[in-house]
Amino acid sequence: IAGITQAPTSQILAAGRRMTLRCTQDMRHNAMYWYRQDLGLGLRLIHYSNTAGTTGKGEVPDGYSVSRANTDDFPLTLASAVPSQTSVYFCASSDQGANTGELFFGEGSRLTVL
Amino acid sequence: SQQGEEDPQALSIQEGENATMNCSYKTSINNLQWYRQNSGRGLVHLILIRSNEREKHSGRLRVTLDTSKKSSSLLITASRAADTASYFCATVNSGNTPLVFGKGTRLSVIA
Repeated sequence: IAGITQAPTSQILAAGRRMTLRCTQDMRHNAMYWYRQDLGLGLRLIHYSNTAGTTGKGEVPDGYSVSRANTDDFPLTLASAVPSQTSVYFCASSDQGANTGELFFGEGSRLTVL
Repeated sequence: SQQGEEDPQALSIQEGENATMNCSYKTSINNLQWYRQNSGRGLVHLILIRSNEREKHSGRLRVTLDTSKKSSSLLITASRAADTASYFCATVNSGNTPLVFGKGTRLSVIA
């Protein structure tokens, strides 16, 4: 079934450790996004990529980095995790050629930083 | 900061009743979208309304858009227990800019 796959589903991490959340899509969408979802704050954009080879900063980029080496993959890295990065992370993609901005979401990665 | 703000934050209704959720936004938009999120799952796109449209229907969903008031509403008619979820509005401002989401309305439909 076509869609977005995120891994891991859930992870507990010690503060200071490095962590990469993986995201892969098989819809050949050119744009991909990372959001974090926190209770009472809704979804906030971390980083995005409009096409392979380019990335941009969202609303809350500090402490995170991304890369877009190819169309399908968009990993999110926490170089040195802190407790405030405890959240549920959602990867999404869109076909910008459709010019609608409709997003397709993965099922999320729940990260706990202790 | 978030573009869209949903109202109310939480809504509890009986099965069979209609549910209305509102969304207000701040800047000009290209289109406005509504998404649904079941507990512990990813968001799923429900419906999109463009800035030049005033009303749109999809099954039991009805969306309105008032660009002069910078507001939209989502109406779910004849609600079912399975409609229990959080509902988010999101706006596309222009071109390739990412969607900006509101904080959502948590809908509970009681059987």
